[in-house]
Amino acid sequence: GDSVTQMEGPVTLSEEAFLTINCTYTATGYPSLFWYVQYPGEGLQLLLKATKADDKGSNKGFEATYRKETTSFHLEKGSVQVSDSAVYFCALRVSGGGADGLTFGKGTHLIIQP
Amino acid sequence: EAQVTQNPRYLITVTGKKLTVTCSQNMNHEYMSWYRQDPGLGLRQIYYSMNVEVTDKGDVPEGYKVSRKEKRNFPLILESPSPNQTSLYFCASIRTGGTGELFFGEGSRLTVL
Repeated sequence: GDSVTQMEGPVTLSEEAFLTINCTYTATGYPSLFWYVQYPGEGLQLLLKATKADDKGSNKGFEATYRKETTSFHLEKGSVQVSDSAVYFCALRVSGGGADGLTFGKGTHLIIQP
Repeated sequence: EAQVTQNPRYLITVTGKKLTVTCSQNMNHEYMSWYRQDPGLGLRQIYYSMNVEVTDKGDVPEGYKVSRKEKRNFPLILESPSPNQTSLYFCASIRTGGTGELFFGEGSRLTVL
């Protein structure tokens, strides 16, 4: 079946550090890929997405590139802020993947220290 | 404002006392879903619904029921809650035919004593 693997957390960084959160996937079809972010006490919200190979999703200074050859969708940010502290979920959805087709990773807790 | 609304946001109850968590979306989305979030386990899908009167089990449906009588509402019913259903619950919706991005509610934190 489809699956998403994320690096384990928590990940603790200092403000202005470079961030990478790894995400790799396995999928039977041709997926769309997503990063969701969950701020403390809130629901998940879409951060960025990519729907085909080599697409780059970007938002709020975060970027991720859909790499079909390595089945990866790593999240990066050049200079993190304390306000980026949150849990980040990588997810995929297979096109035409039946009723749902959504698969989430287990989430990576990111802590940014001043 | 486009949103998914859940109620209650917080609830403490006792074993066996039936409860319902409501979910409503104002985006005319066909697809709705319930997830539970537990430490170390991430998000797990409980039930989903493709449209009115169409529901199906997700990965962890035991102990839960749902109904979809109207497009906008998708309540989650715990007929006889048990302590292992203590969790953070999220309702979500997707517009069919889009790229599959979910719109989430703010979550309902349930504690079963």
